[in-house]
Amino acid sequence: SQQGEEDPQALSIQEGENATMNCSYKTSINNLQWYRQNSGRGLVHLILIRSNEREKHSGRLRVTLDTSKKSSSLLITASRAADTASYFCATDLGWGKLQFGAGTQVVVTP
Amino acid sequence: GAVVSQHPSWVICKSGTSVKIECRSLDFQATTMFWYRQFPKQSLMLMATSNEGSKATYEQGVEKDKFLINHASLTLSTLTVTSAHPEDSSFYICSAYNWDSTDTQYFGPGTRLTVL
Repeated sequence: SQQGEEDPQALSIQEGENATMNCSYKTSINNLQWYRQNSGRGLVHLILIRSNEREKHSGRLRVTLDTSKKSSSLLITASRAADTASYFCATDLGWGKLQFGAGTQVVVTP
Repeated sequence: GAVVSQHPSWVICKSGTSVKIECRSLDFQATTMFWYRQFPKQSLMLMATSNEGSKATYEQGVEKDKFLINHASLTLSTLTVTSAHPEDSSFYICSAYNWDSTDTQYFGPGTRLTVL
């Protein structure tokens, strides 16, 4: 079963707008990771946030983690057409074992 | 980041045949490799955990006799889909992980299996 639930399932925005997606999980975690997947391709690791961290930035990405609510959010600022992809959160349950959320499909139109 | 390759990138086979997929970590030693399956427009489902030199650990509902995993070295794991059927058609993705050195997993590009 999927550990993480993500919303929205799909998101359509215009270039320059921000995209926010959320992830909730059920059990204790070591860390939470966000990945991007272009259609039919492998996964690209975006960012990892540890259980004792609350916020992390990487370029145009901002990730928050609220362990009390068992939730995380990914914000992509100033989106570009190249950001069109599916985004997945994954919780690390220990020893590298990841459980993935259902994913959010993001479409950025020029 | 580290590079993980998969071979083949796609394969079409007849029902009843077996297919072997290779996962290689090219520039680091992976103590653990994971195998995932992804159906169209769905998320990744963990199938099994493969540790070098030991038997793979399968997730609930995954048949170990159907999906044979071998992790013979720190840089190579193989997944063999035995007696493949159309319902095994999927996107298979591996990831490589070294628990001693990093929290980051490195994913292969995936293998598209189509069983006719």
